[in-house]
This record gives sequence, C-alpha cells and structure tokens, in this order.
Amino acid sequence: SQQGEEDPQALSIQEGENATMNCSYKTSINNLQWYRQNSGRGLVHLILIRSNEREKHSGRLRVTLDTSKKSSSLLITASRAADTASYFCAFTGGGNKLTFGTGTQLKVEL
Amino acid sequence: EAGVTQSPTHLIKTRGQQATLRCSPISGHTSVYWYQQALGLGLQFLLWYDEGEERNRGNFPPRFSGRQFPNYSSELNVNALELEDSALYLCASSYFSFSGANVLTFGAGSRLTVL
Repeated sequence: SQQGEEDPQALSIQEGENATMNCSYKTSINNLQWYRQNSGRGLVHLILIRSNEREKHSGRLRVTLDTSKKSSSLLITASRAADTASYFCAFTGGGNKLTFGTGTQLKVEL
Repeated sequence: EAGVTQSPTHLIKTRGQQATLRCSPISGHTSVYWYQQALGLGLQFLLWYDEGEERNRGNFPPRFSGRQFPNYSSELNVNALELEDSALYLCASSYFSFSGANVLTFGAGSRLTVL
C-alpha cells in the first residue's frame, strides 16, 4: 500500500503536555503536509514541509522530516483541550495526488 | 470568501440505489479531489479533476464516477450502492500546482449511509 502509516494510532495526554505523532511513508516525496480533522468533519491544513527541509515551525507546531528514514514527526507543544482531534500526514510523490496516512487520534484532557 | 461546500450533508440510500454528491470549490480553484473515509479508517483517494478533465483515479470500481463542470464544481456518482460504500465522502479543492505543493481545502463532507 502507498498509504502512510502513523503512530501512535491513539494518544491521550493532559493539557499542557506535549504531543508527538509520527508518520512513515514508502515512496519518494516532494513535500509532506499535516492536516487536522475534528470529529467526523473536513480536514484543515496545518503545515507543509518540503523534501529539502528538515524542520519547520508554526506557532505551537513543530514538524521534522527525515527523507533518509522516510519519516516525519509532528510535535504540538503546550497542548490544549481544543487540540483534541485526529491528525493526518499527507504527501505527494509526484503529480498532485495527495496520499494520506492512517491518522493519530489525539485526546487532550483537562 | 466561501469555503468548499458539499451537499447533501447526509444521505441515506438502500443497496442497489444510486447516490449523487455535489461539491463547489473555493473561487479560483480549478482542481477538485474526492476522498472516501470509512468509519475508523483513513482517507482513500477516489478522483481528481482539473479543468474539467479526470486527471487521476484511485483504486475504486467503475461504479464510482464523477465529473467536473465548467464552473469547476463537481459531482460524485456512486451506482449500485453496496453496504461498504457507507462512509464520509470528502471533497477538497486547490490551485493546480506543477510543483506538487498543493494544499487542499476540504469541505465538511457528505455522510452516505447505505442500508
């Protein structure tokens, strides 16, 4: 399968803690993106990292990309209850078809 | 600016029937993508349209089809519905990008239930 794999499948943390989720893929990629999905609704784009970048920040988000290991990680710092959602990595290997990972369900408890 | 709009929000059909789902992209976006998200599963790529043409198709049977209209809106048709077609169908739009750095804007989805 060309789909990305994410781990953990589910993650439960306390508010204020950091959350880290990982994505692995099998193909060569042009860029990798992370999206967020609130319960059963559409996805929202969070951040994009290009294949020639190793790290990128956006607010409380930090994304790393290791093309030699074909993996990426998303770190959410100082998590809030509102961060509770599913998080998906997505990548293009060529062309415009975006392939999504299996997702990590994050629950942030008060 | 209006986002990506999908209709209907919910649709209930019985096995063997046909379902039609509709999507209006963000103004200026020429590419429309359709994804299927079955309960508890990730997003499976269905179809990509750009400038009225089908550009790519996922690993789905021919009874999944669609089209893109001159105003870039799109519809997805599912014929001969089966129980396993029950899912959230997500439409997304983007500018066409030769570099492949296309960021998708998603609609809220159409939930299809097949009884």
